[in-house]
Amino acid sequence: NAGVTQTPKFQVLKTGQSMTLQCAQDMNHEYMSWYRQDPGMGLRLIHYSVGAGITDQGEVPNGYNVSRSTTEDFPLRLLSAAPSQTSVYFCASRIGTVNSPLHFGNGTRLTVT
Amino acid sequence: AQKVTQAQTEISVVEKEDVTLDCVYETRDTTYYLFWYKQPPSGELVFLIRRNSFDEQNEISGRYSWNFQKSTSSFNFTITASQVVDSAVYFCALSGNEKLTFGTGTRLTIIP
Repeated sequence: NAGVTQTPKFQVLKTGQSMTLQCAQDMNHEYMSWYRQDPGMGLRLIHYSVGAGITDQGEVPNGYNVSRSTTEDFPLRLLSAAPSQTSVYFCASRIGTVNSPLHFGNGTRLTVT
Repeated sequence: AQKVTQAQTEISVVEKEDVTLDCVYETRDTTYYLFWYKQPPSGELVFLIRRNSFDEQNEISGRYSWNFQKSTSSFNFTITASQVVDSAVYFCALSGNEKLTFGTGTRLTIIP
């Protein structure tokens, strides 16, 4: 059982480049989300989705786009990378109820130069 | 708006000592859920416990225990007889809706 799979594990971008961080889960979870982790700031919610075709903004959505065309996949797009987007990105999923714990992927470490 | 405060940025204790990690939260929701996650040096995030706002019973799981006090909006985590494997960053989190809000984490180092 793979759980939540994130690719790539590491990525280096130049300022202005675009890229997509991939996230897939095989647990048939309705809810998926993206967080970024920065030193001293904990995990901050970027975007989330309560089901296929539905997405919403979290705490720090600027500079990122998401879509949810299937239950399994929730890609995060950086439109024009900036050094401020250097971070570790985590994708997470859970079943539909808000009291359920999140299952996290192993993270993507992104560096923007 | 939801807020979680973990005032202890870093804690170091000698192995076998007990240690308590503090978590204070703010929310306007009458029903909400509190969580603790562990992030070991390998980087993955591991779920430890969930507590519902209407259940103030303390919980013990082996060397771990959690003290939920609604009157002080706190959900503290105690490790008894700490071990080197407990070294990690610990996050407290709060959910009252579709958004799970994390605290900034406490880095716990257990000294052999």
